[in-house]
Amino acid sequence: GQQVMQIPQYQHVQEGEDFTTYCNSSTTLSNIQWYKQRPGGHPVFLIQLVKSGEVKKQKRLTFQFGEAKKNSSLHITATQTTDVGTYFCATSNTGNQFYFGTGTSLTVIP
Amino acid sequence: GAVVSQHPSWVICKSGTSVKIECRSLDFQATTMFWYRQFPKQSLMLMATSNEGSKATYEQGVEKDKFLINHASLTLSTLTVTSAHPEDSSFYICSARDRRSGNTIYFGEGSWLTVV
Repeated sequence: GQQVMQIPQYQHVQEGEDFTTYCNSSTTLSNIQWYKQRPGGHPVFLIQLVKSGEVKKQKRLTFQFGEAKKNSSLHITATQTTDVGTYFCATSNTGNQFYFGTGTSLTVIP
Repeated sequence: GAVVSQHPSWVICKSGTSVKIECRSLDFQATTMFWYRQFPKQSLMLMATSNEGSKATYEQGVEKDKFLINHASLTLSTLTVTSAHPEDSSFYICSARDRRSGNTIYFGEGSWLTVV
């Protein structure tokens, strides 16, 4: 399967601070999806990016797809305790299998 | 919104027995479902792609005779862990693609399997 690396693996922030996780691939990606998994829960779809340089926003979350379509980022402005969880990027190949990145576990300290 | 139901949520079985996990798309038809395995604090690892009416496509390193997948209808895929061993204990989670909503993927709630 496709190798998609995510950094950092863990991130602890004070409530109100910003948070960013990065997803990197050595190959060009046709698309990138982002998911959030709360502790003990299942992944929940957040967004999909398909265009080079695409930027999408969902309230305090900003998603970006790199110009070369080899990397992506998720940025959260002014984190809240409800943002706690693991954020995964995922990508699909021509066979439509989805492969997940290694994930970034976010802890928000009140 | 679309819902994918997975059953059972928790299961404990003895070594050597087989366990079946069901994945149902409740309000949409899913020609393709995916089965993942997740170890604690790790990412989801794709095990196989379940195709309705045909054989599943297994990822490299996944034993197809160990993890039997049946996608008998457009709303149901099953994963059977055969002759389970303690090392098969894990969180198994399925997902299904809803073509109506631009191929959005919805995940089931997951199934915790403990083999004793």
